[in-house]
Amino acid sequence: AQKITQTQPGMFVQEKEAVTLDCTYDTSDPSYGLFWYKQPSSGEMIFLIYQGSYDQQNATEGRYSLNFQKARKSANLVISASQLGDSAMYFCAMREGPRRNNNDMRFGAGTRLTVKP
Amino acid sequence: SQTIHQWPATLVQPVGSPLSLECTVEGTSNPNLYWYRQAAGRGLQLLFYSVGIGQISSEVPQNLSASRPQDRQFILSSKKLLLSDSGFYLCAWRSQLAGEGEQFFGPGTRLTVL
Repeated sequence: AQKITQTQPGMFVQEKEAVTLDCTYDTSDPSYGLFWYKQPSSGEMIFLIYQGSYDQQNATEGRYSLNFQKARKSANLVISASQLGDSAMYFCAMREGPRRNNNDMRFGAGTRLTVKP
Repeated sequence: SQTIHQWPATLVQPVGSPLSLECTVEGTSNPNLYWYRQAAGRGLQLLFYSVGIGQISSEVPQNLSASRPQDRQFILSSKKLLLSDSGFYLCAWRSQLAGEGEQFFGPGTRLTVL
C-alpha cells in the first residue's frame, strides 16, 4: 500500500507568491518522522525540513514551513515568497518508528514545481 | 563537515555487462548507508541499506547486489546489466546517533544501459 501520497504531479506559482505542496501519509505507528526534499535538475537531493509526529508546533526553516495536520495525516510544504531557484521536484518522505530505527525512508512520487517570472 | 561522494557521475553500458558504482562518506563514523534508484520522472525506490560493515538488507529482488567492505564505503554491483537497470542511482547516509533520521544524498550516478 502507498505510504506517502503526493497528488500534484506539477504545480505552477508566480514568483514572490506562496505555494503549498500536498503530502498525505499512512501509518499506524505512533512515532514517525516526515521529511521534505528538493531535487533540482542537477539531480541532487537536498533535505529541506523535518516534522516529528510528537512535535507540537509546525516546523519552519526559513521560507519553508510544514503544515502538519496529524488527524488528517497530512504534511504539506509551504514555500513563501517563491523564487526562480525554487523550480525543482519536491519529495515528501516518511520514516516510521522512532529515529533510532535503522530502516529506510519511504518517498512519495514527487511534485514538480515551476516558478514563473 | 560530512560529505558524500559517488562515482562515476554518468555511465553508459551495454546490456549484459557488469556494473560497479561506488559511494564513500567522509566526516562521520558508522553511518547507515542506502542505495536508491530513480527512474526518469519518478520517485525513489530503495534498493539496499546497510547498518554496518558486511551488513546488507535488500528491499527489492533483482540482479543487483550491494557490499560494504569498509565503514564508509558502499558499492552497488551487477554481474549482467538489463535494460531496465537504466536510471539515476543515489547513495545516501544517515547518522545512527544524531539527527532525526534525515538522510543526506550524494550527487548520483546516471546509468544508461543500451
